[in-house]
Order: sequence, then structure tokens, then C-alpha cells
Amino acid sequence: SQTIHQWPATLVQPVGSPLSLECTVEGTSNPNLYWYRQAAGRGLQLLFYSVGIGQISSEVPQNLSASRPQDRQFILSSKKLLLSDSGFYLCAWIDRAGAEAFFGQGTRLTVV
Amino acid sequence: GQQVMQIPQYQHVQEGEDFTTYCNSSTTLSNIQWYKQRPGGHPVFLIQLVKSGEVKKQKRLTFQFGEAKKNSSLHITATQTTDVGTYFCAGPYGNNRLAFGKGNQVVVIP
Repeated sequence: SQTIHQWPATLVQPVGSPLSLECTVEGTSNPNLYWYRQAAGRGLQLLFYSVGIGQISSEVPQNLSASRPQDRQFILSSKKLLLSDSGFYLCAWIDRAGAEAFFGQGTRLTVV
Repeated sequence: GQQVMQIPQYQHVQEGEDFTTYCNSSTTLSNIQWYKQRPGGHPVFLIQLVKSGEVKKQKRLTFQFGEAKKNSSLHITATQTTDVGTYFCAGPYGNNRLAFGKGNQVVVIP
């Protein structure tokens, strides 16, 4: 069965520091991968998605970037964090039929 | 782009009572999905509806897809404390993307 791993679970980072969040998927090949952000008490905002290695699409302009160096690996990065980057970051895999999204456990990022 | 709206955003429900949460899309959807996120957790898939007018049940949960495939509802009967959480609907758009509503945060009052 498919599983999705995301780490770390929580992170406290100072303003201006870099960020790297990693997500890996098991049990499937060539998945569509997604990064969502959820502000406190809010909905899910799509940040990036990828349909294959090296292919990244950005949904909203922001201080973050994404990369997909391997088929089952999706990385969210920032060179310099802002206070507004705080939130709950979720990696997801959606099957090609678009029938269901599988989410990782999420990373709760606090920028101080 | 695709917009999915949910109402209400917040609900306080007495344990044992019923409640309904609604989802509306700006465009016709090929399918609609519902997810539940427990406090501190990640969204977990509940169900997908595909056909116009479709109704599906999962124990105390009843999901409905509108005839025009632009709206959906989730009705929960005899609410339990385990029903606490945020319920999201989501509709597909573009290249396998999902647009999520802002969610309905449900608090259950014992």
C-alpha cells in the first residue's frame, strides 16, 4: 500500500534562516506530488505541485521553492524564512485518476 | 481557478444532535471528495462522489452530490465526541489538482 513520509513533525526557525522540508512516497511510482500550507484554523492552500522529476508548478507567488530530485521525493525550501511562512505544511500524493489525496503527517513550522 | 466554498465555517454541535455541512463549487465538478482532519492531525479521505444526485452513507454520515454536480453536503446524525474536527470538501481542476474548501470546524459539546 502507498505511504507518505514527511519530516520533521515540528520546527521552530528564526526569521532569515533557511528551510528544507522533505517528503517521500512509497508504494507507487511516478506520483503527482503536492505541497499545501494550512494557516492556523484555515483551509488548505496549494503551494506547489509536480507531475514528474524536475517538473514543478507554483500556484502562488511566495518566499518558498520546491524541487523534485527523485521520482518519490518532494522538497520544500526557502533561503530566508519570513514570519508569514509560519503554518502547517502538508505533503500530499494524489493518484492519477484524481480519486483520492493521501497526506503526510505534516510539519508545523513556527518562524520566530 | 477552481473555487470551492464551504458553509458554515464553524459549528458547535450538542452531542447526540444532527448537523449538516455544505459545499458549493463555482463550476461543475467531475467528482467531489470529503476529508476529515482531527485536531492536530492531517486530512484523511472519507469518500468520493461521482454521479449526479449520488448519495452515499458511512454509518452515521450521509454524503450527497447535487444534481448539477456543483454542490455537496455531509450530514452527520447522533453526533459523537469522535466527530470533532474539520471537514473539508475538495474538487478536482486542471492537471490533477484538488481545490479544497476552507473547511467546517466542528466542536462537539458533551
